[in-house]
Amino acid sequence: DAEITQSPRHKITETGRQVTLACHQTWNHNNMFWYRQDLGHGLRLIHYSYGVQDTNKGEVSDGYSVSRSNTEDLPLTLESAASSQTSVYFCASSGGTPERLHFGNGTRLTVT
Amino acid sequence: SQELEQSPQSLIVQEGKNLTINCTSSKTLYGLYWYKQKYGEGLIFLMMLQKGGEEKSHEKITAKLDEKKQQSSLHITASQPSHAGIYLCGATNYGGSQGNLIFGKGTKLSVKP
Repeated sequence: DAEITQSPRHKITETGRQVTLACHQTWNHNNMFWYRQDLGHGLRLIHYSYGVQDTNKGEVSDGYSVSRSNTEDLPLTLESAASSQTSVYFCASSGGTPERLHFGNGTRLTVT
Repeated sequence: SQELEQSPQSLIVQEGKNLTINCTSSKTLYGLYWYKQKYGEGLIFLMMLQKGGEEKSHEKITAKLDEKKQQSSLHITASQPSHAGIYLCGATNYGGSQGNLIFGKGTKLSVKP
């Protein structure tokens, strides 16, 4: 069955370190998204991509970057981790509109 | 920018009782999605509504879209402990395309046995 997987599931890192969260989907979807989920804020869009070599900033993109070199993967990089980036990160994909988003199980990131 | 407001923020009901969760958009809804999330897990798709007046049901969960009011409601009949979790509504970003969704902050549902 097609799926979307995130790794690692849990990550603890120190302030100032570069961190990369992986997202891999086997749906062959063109559209991929990164969200962060925080208490009181819900899900907020960080970056998204509509296809290979395409990336776009979302609502809360500062301090994050993505690259899309193939259809299956959209890694999220925190250039210099900050405590404010402690959160649960979700990757999602879709085949277009009005198709629904398929979500990964999330990565819990703690920045100390 | 478009915003989605969910009410109530949290809800505790006795098993067997009915309940309703609302999702109101600040702008016209082009598509409304309901998801459920259990603690520490990803989002599970429940239903998608596209047309004003549309109503969909799955098992004991019914969702409706009132396009004129820019609102959707999620109704659970005869709630069970398995219904507990966080319910989120999502909408296609106003004027956006290709699945760029914004979400409400969620409604936390607890069901007491």
